[in-house]
Amino acid sequence: KAGVTQTPRYLIKTRGQQVTLSCSPISGHRSVSWYQQTPGQGLQFLFEYFSETQRNKGNFPGRFSGRQFSNSRSEMNVSTLELGDSALYLCASSRTGDMGYTFGSGTRLTVV
Amino acid sequence: QQPVQSPQAVILREGEDAVINCSSSKALYSVHWYRQKHGEAPVFLMILLKGGEQKGHEKISASFNEKKQQSSLYLTASQLSYSGTYFCGTEDLEAKGLVFGKGTKLTVNP
Repeated sequence: KAGVTQTPRYLIKTRGQQVTLSCSPISGHRSVSWYQQTPGQGLQFLFEYFSETQRNKGNFPGRFSGRQFSNSRSEMNVSTLELGDSALYLCASSRTGDMGYTFGSGTRLTVV
Repeated sequence: QQPVQSPQAVILREGEDAVINCSSSKALYSVHWYRQKHGEAPVFLMILLKGGEQKGHEKISASFNEKKQQSSLYLTASQLSYSGTYFCGTEDLEAKGLVFGKGTKLTVNP
């Protein structure tokens, strides 16, 4: 059974640019959540999608956005990148949320 | 609101026991526990639901005190493979998404 797939694994971007990250959940999982992980702040909740609808959103600025497609694949976009956006971005999927989440390996974003 | 985990770090010898605590200021619907090893993704261990239902790992147990909005993870007879950072995640009754604590770093030495 394939796990949660995130692409790309690594990205280097320049301040001011924008970036799109992709997440393919486990087949049959309709809930997809995104997290930002940094050494200082830990795992910070970005947003959660379920059946193409944003169900919850964390306390991040509007530069961070996401969407989910009809096949449950999800993308997140960060515009006008700042140095502080450098982090590991993790995607997690779940069938319903009551069964726990499976995390992808993440995308390591470095902003220079 | 981010849950608070304690302790921040713990060092054990193989075979010893450990307890990791997680507390929230909000009434909770569920508490999740995950373990993350260095350079890897977090791995699901257990979920505890309001009402007492538990689903998860066979060799790790946990409790959920709904009144106190607290959960504890019990690691007994620790093995080297238990080393990693343990995160609790909480979902409150307003269902505002799964929010994680800052983690507890567990090191098990031979």
